[in-house]
Amino acid sequence: ETGVTQTPRHLVMGMTNKKSLKCEQHLGHNAMYWYKQSAKKPLELMFVYSLEERVENNSVPSRFSPECPNSSHLFLHLHTLQPEDSALYLCASSQDPFPGETDTQYFGPGTRLTVL
Amino acid sequence: TQLLEQSPQFLSIQEGENLTVYCNSSSVFSSLQWYRQEPGEGPVLLVTVVTGGEVKKLKRLTFQFGDARKDSSLHITAAQPGDTGLYLCAGEDSNSGYALNFGKGTSLLVTP
Repeated sequence: ETGVTQTPRHLVMGMTNKKSLKCEQHLGHNAMYWYKQSAKKPLELMFVYSLEERVENNSVPSRFSPECPNSSHLFLHLHTLQPEDSALYLCASSQDPFPGETDTQYFGPGTRLTVL
Repeated sequence: TQLLEQSPQFLSIQEGENLTVYCNSSSVFSSLQWYRQEPGEGPVLLVTVVTGGEVKKLKRLTFQFGDARKDSSLHITAAQPGDTGLYLCAGEDSNSGYALNFGKGTSLLVTP
């Protein structure tokens, strides 16, 4: 297994369900990210973890709850979602960027989420 | 948020044609990155441009960073069906040490 993997690849859930998205990186990176990709909108950064600590939370609704138990794993816990939350959720990792330095982010294939 | 505007939004061409896509902003970026995203996959980094006026070539792809570091272009020579995908530009958010601001992308279709 190489790179950044995400499971499941597809998820359909009702608004009252609770589900979790999983991301795993095999690159030895220290930073991990969750992005949301919706049709006709730019990728939106949701959360950033560096060395397992959350360093950014871009005004994401509380129905999305991230968890980073170690530097290789990242979860996104979902509960009481809305249909407008349907999107592709992408996980990414990077070495450990310092402010002002350009860093390369490596993306997983994404989880296609549909909320009914 | 520093906005990045990409044009055109969609492009459909035949194999062998040349094309250019653009990424523009009113903000200055310390660097810009270009990614390609294929259907069902995450974005993959193609190149990072750092210096104003810089030109980088990657086989048939030529990337240019504007002198003022506010814009960038991607030129593809003799496009092939394998070039089909969503091309995204991204710039480092100066207000964040981690965030990348992405454009909406140019969706390219190259038909045989």
